[in-house]
Amino acid sequence: LAKTTQPISMDSYEGQEVNITCSHNNIATNDYITWYQQFPSQGPRFIIQGYKTKVTNEVASLFIPADRKSSTLSLPRVSLSDTAVYYCLVGDRDYGGATNKLIFGTGTLLAVQP
Amino acid sequence: KAGVTQTPRYLIKTRGQQVTLSCSPISGHRSVSWYQQTPGQGLQFLFEYFSETQRNKGNFPGRFSGRQFSNSRSEMNVSTLELGDSALYLCASRDRGITGELFFGEGSRLTVL
Repeated sequence: LAKTTQPISMDSYEGQEVNITCSHNNIATNDYITWYQQFPSQGPRFIIQGYKTKVTNEVASLFIPADRKSSTLSLPRVSLSDTAVYYCLVGDRDYGGATNKLIFGTGTLLAVQP
Repeated sequence: KAGVTQTPRYLIKTRGQQVTLSCSPISGHRSVSWYQQTPGQGLQFLFEYFSETQRNKGNFPGRFSGRQFSNSRSEMNVSTLELGDSALYLCASRDRGITGELFFGEGSRLTVL
């Protein structure tokens, strides 16, 4: 069974760059890697998605090495409002090869201090 | 465009009872998936429906079931509730296949006494 792991928590200061890594050793060949942000009492919110190499949008970058067994979410110049739990999401290789269960990472609580 | 709506937001049940949760997806989205979130187990995938058919299923017992209607609204049911079923149940919708962005509702918080 696939295991998707992340650091439990990270601390940072305003204005710093934060990198959060997710290990997904059994990612499906055709699956994408997606990152979500969750605030207390809210559902997760989409941040960024990628398949390989590097993807960048207005809020984050996503780095994926060639073997795709890990990914790194990079948040440039974090602010207090970035304090939240961050999850990676990948598909899970099904034994029959047909379905594509969605496996969330264990989540990383990012605490940004002034 | 209205977001994903889940009802009820909070509910309390006792062991042995059953519960039905409802999810209305974003208009035009045909895929609805369900997740259980607990402090100990994190976010776990329950199942996904697409055009009224269950497409994927996580590793939960048969007490957890769901369905999707022709208007894409979905319900999930948990029978014979156990204390361990206390959790936040999240629903998400998306407009296309497996790689589509998930849009989450705010969840239904179930407490089993």
